[in-house]
Amino acid sequence: EPEVTQTPSHQVTQMGQEVILRCVPISNHLYFYWYRQILGQKVEFLVSFYNNEISEKSEIFDDQFSVERPDGSNFTLKIRSTKLEDSAMYFCASSEEAGVSYEQYFGPGTRLTVT
Amino acid sequence: SQQGEEDPQALSIQEGENATMNCSYKTSINNLQWYRQNSGRGLVHLILIRSNEREKHSGRLRVTLDTSKKSSSLLITASRAADTASYFCATSRWRNEKLTFGTGTRLTIIP
Repeated sequence: EPEVTQTPSHQVTQMGQEVILRCVPISNHLYFYWYRQILGQKVEFLVSFYNNEISEKSEIFDDQFSVERPDGSNFTLKIRSTKLEDSAMYFCASSEEAGVSYEQYFGPGTRLTVT
Repeated sequence: SQQGEEDPQALSIQEGENATMNCSYKTSINNLQWYRQNSGRGLVHLILIRSNEREKHSGRLRVTLDTSKKSSSLLITASRAADTASYFCATSRWRNEKLTFGTGTRLTIIP
């Protein structure tokens, strides 16, 4: 069964460093999302991406964050200058075009630890 | 309460019993999705119910949706130890829109 994959599974970085989190969505999906979950808290939406552009972003997704689909398979989240409060589990998700099936399927997550 | 709030926050039952979790939300929705999360792991999609549906089944799972009360319930029948996890509901206002998650119910199945 197709699934969303994410790398790395765990990333440790120092405050102020740049990190890139990578995701490979399900191949026939057209909508892509990033969410995060701070330990013990609810899952929060960061950004959605469709047709090679951001379709919606949350207040969390400030200028330090960016997303890119550099090729036909990868979807990346970049944090330019990490802060301690960026420590969280980051999830990528994808869904098909509406009208067919629009369940959002999530990857296993990348645990980001900022020290 | 916030959009997508589950109750109870925690539930412990004996293996073999049924588990019921509830979710309430505030705004109009297009669909509601339930997810399972094992400790520290990813979110596993369980079931999606559309706003024009009232009930849906998948294996041992039964989901109901009452749009007049803005609430949904997830029933797991004949629970197993492997069902121990956190369960989240998530809503979206239209198809393919971002999901707004609830706070989750932590379910513990006692063998």
